[in-house]
Amino acid sequence: QKEVEQNSGPLSVPEGAIASLNCTYSDRGSQSFFWYRQYSGKSPELIMSIYSNGDKEDGRFTAQLNKASQYVSLLIRDSQPSDSATYLCAVMGGGADGLTFGKGTHLIIQP
Amino acid sequence: GAVVSQHPSRVICKSGTSVKIECRSLDFQATTMFWYRQFPKKSLMLMATSNEGSKATYEQGVEKDKFLINHASLTLSTLTVTSAHPEDSSFYICSARRDSSDEQYFGPGTRLTVT
Repeated sequence: QKEVEQNSGPLSVPEGAIASLNCTYSDRGSQSFFWYRQYSGKSPELIMSIYSNGDKEDGRFTAQLNKASQYVSLLIRDSQPSDSATYLCAVMGGGADGLTFGKGTHLIIQP
Repeated sequence: GAVVSQHPSRVICKSGTSVKIECRSLDFQATTMFWYRQFPKKSLMLMATSNEGSKATYEQGVEKDKFLINHASLTLSTLTVTSAHPEDSSFYICSARRDSSDEQYFGPGTRLTVT
């Protein structure tokens, strides 16, 4: 059974600092990796997708993928209070189209 | 953009009745849509994959006769919860995937309460 693991937090980061979120996955056949942001009571919003080893940057966000270590991370630079949310790591692949989600990391940006 | 709508946003129904939830991709075609369920303080769990013009594929443990899925067009999928019970109360969220990508875009969700 596919598993996606995340530290549930809460992770508290001062405003303006870098927030680092981590995720590991069990299925080596996984090919596509995503980070979603979910505010309380709302549905997930896609932040980043990453498919190959290395870094991918989009604005203040950087996703990092290491398939050998089965590890995905998300860095948020210049953290803002509006970044306070639950961040979900999601994995796709191994013959399936649907996403397997981690339980999410609750991020709190302290003003 | 990649906008997905869902209707209704909130529904309360009596035990034993059926509820239909609609999911629409507004600005792109989606051969494949997905239905997820999220219980309080839990993560999203995939219920089924909906393919336009064919039968849905259900995840293990999800009753296909209870959760009826229809994907009749490239922009619309529906989920009908039949004979709903209080344990079906949950946040139901659909997603749609662009045909040219693996990225899934989520609708705003439907909060179902069965009394």
